[in-house]
Amino acid sequence: GAVVSQHPSWVICKSGTSVKIECRSLDFQATTMFWYRQFPKQSLMLMATSNEGSKATYEQGVEKDKFLINHASLTLSTLTVTSAHPEDSSFYICSPRRGTDTQYFGPGTRLTVL
Amino acid sequence: AQSVTQLDSQVPVFEEAPVELRCNYSSSVSVYLFWYVQYPNQGLQLLLKYLSGSTLVKGINGFEAEFNKSQTSFHLRKPSVHISDTAEYFCAVSEGGSYKLIFGSGTRLLVRP
Repeated sequence: GAVVSQHPSWVICKSGTSVKIECRSLDFQATTMFWYRQFPKQSLMLMATSNEGSKATYEQGVEKDKFLINHASLTLSTLTVTSAHPEDSSFYICSPRRGTDTQYFGPGTRLTVL
Repeated sequence: AQSVTQLDSQVPVFEEAPVELRCNYSSSVSVYLFWYVQYPNQGLQLLLKYLSGSTLVKGINGFEAEFNKSQTSFHLRKPSVHISDTAEYFCAVSEGGSYKLIFGSGTRLLVRP
């Protein structure tokens, strides 16, 4: 199957700092990237959708200026949590889609904001 | 609006016993249905999906699911589980033609020897 990596897998930061999460599709080109967030004991919630070279489309209730998404290439997308606060602590999962075929998922990044 | 309900947060079962993980959804339009499995420290993997056609869908690792439109359910079953099936299982739905997945809250399957 396709390989998707996320880095870092786990990060702790102080309140007010920014954190960048990288997502790479290692053996295929992702025409579309989805970013999800998962709080403990809850569902994965879609945050935004991006296509390579285009601005991301954010779901209702997700602040685009707080969660910056860059999909600069077909194999790399980044999510930057700006001025992170404790309520942003969550599990962030990227999901690259290959064409119109199959959607894959990264292993996730656990963010803890102190 | 679409929603997915997984009623059981955890299902303990003994090895070689059958198991059913329940999933119900709500949607006003036709949907595609999915089951994903997540092993510790790994990304979600697709177990099976229903897009159209036969309501009984067979997936990997001996799992199958049945789409029941009248009951808006898509329960996952396996006739005999293994220790290695211990994982988190997510049911998801997308409206036909949409790429957006709506997930349930997940069910942890715990297989005991």
